[in-house]
Amino acid sequence: EAGVTQFPSHSVIEKGQTVTLRCDPISGHDNLYWYRRVMGKEIKFLLHFVKESKQDESGMPNNRFLAERTGGTYSTLKVQPAELEDSGVYFCASSQDRNRFKPEQFFGPGTRLTVL
Amino acid sequence: QKEVEQDPGPLSVPEGAIVSLNCTYSNSAFQYFMWYRQYSRKGPELLMYTYSSGNKEDGRFTAQVDKSSKYISLFIRDSQPSDSATYLCAMSANTGNQFYFGTGTSLTVIP
Repeated sequence: EAGVTQFPSHSVIEKGQTVTLRCDPISGHDNLYWYRRVMGKEIKFLLHFVKESKQDESGMPNNRFLAERTGGTYSTLKVQPAELEDSGVYFCASSQDRNRFKPEQFFGPGTRLTVL
Repeated sequence: QKEVEQDPGPLSVPEGAIVSLNCTYSNSAFQYFMWYRQYSRKGPELLMYTYSSGNKEDGRFTAQVDKSSKYISLFIRDSQPSDSATYLCAMSANTGNQFYFGTGTSLTVIP
């Protein structure tokens, strides 16, 4: 079974540019999460999709960040325009039905974003 | 105040040692407590989770939760060089909710 995949693995852009990160969750997983780790800090929650609906977007830093999950499959996270403080590693995670007992979230390898 | 506090280390131990990793937290709503292992340039991988208070053992790994003290631990027995990684604690109030992570503890097991 393929795990969570993320693309690109690394992106270097200049301040003011736009970047789109993609996440492909494990097949059949309805829940998809985005997290971010800024250097030296803990991994922090950004938002949670259940299928194509945003269940919780309380962690999104501001309106420069836009997440979508068309058709409830893969998800994209767009940063427009990017700022220096957006640099970090963006992780995607997926899990099965939220009513299951196990709190398992399977993480992808992350996208390392550098804004210059 | 952070939701979850974790000593970042680094921690360096000889092969075969017992390793103790710890986290404290402030939110009494947390019921699920997870330990993730992360190798360099990889995503976090779930090691084990515990619901509410108590102990859970899985091979060389033992997780402990003391909700009265808001303190969780991960013990690694007979540590191996392959255990060298960053260990992250994570917590949540429910199975579908967001996870709150500690900063991670970097562990090196020296052969």
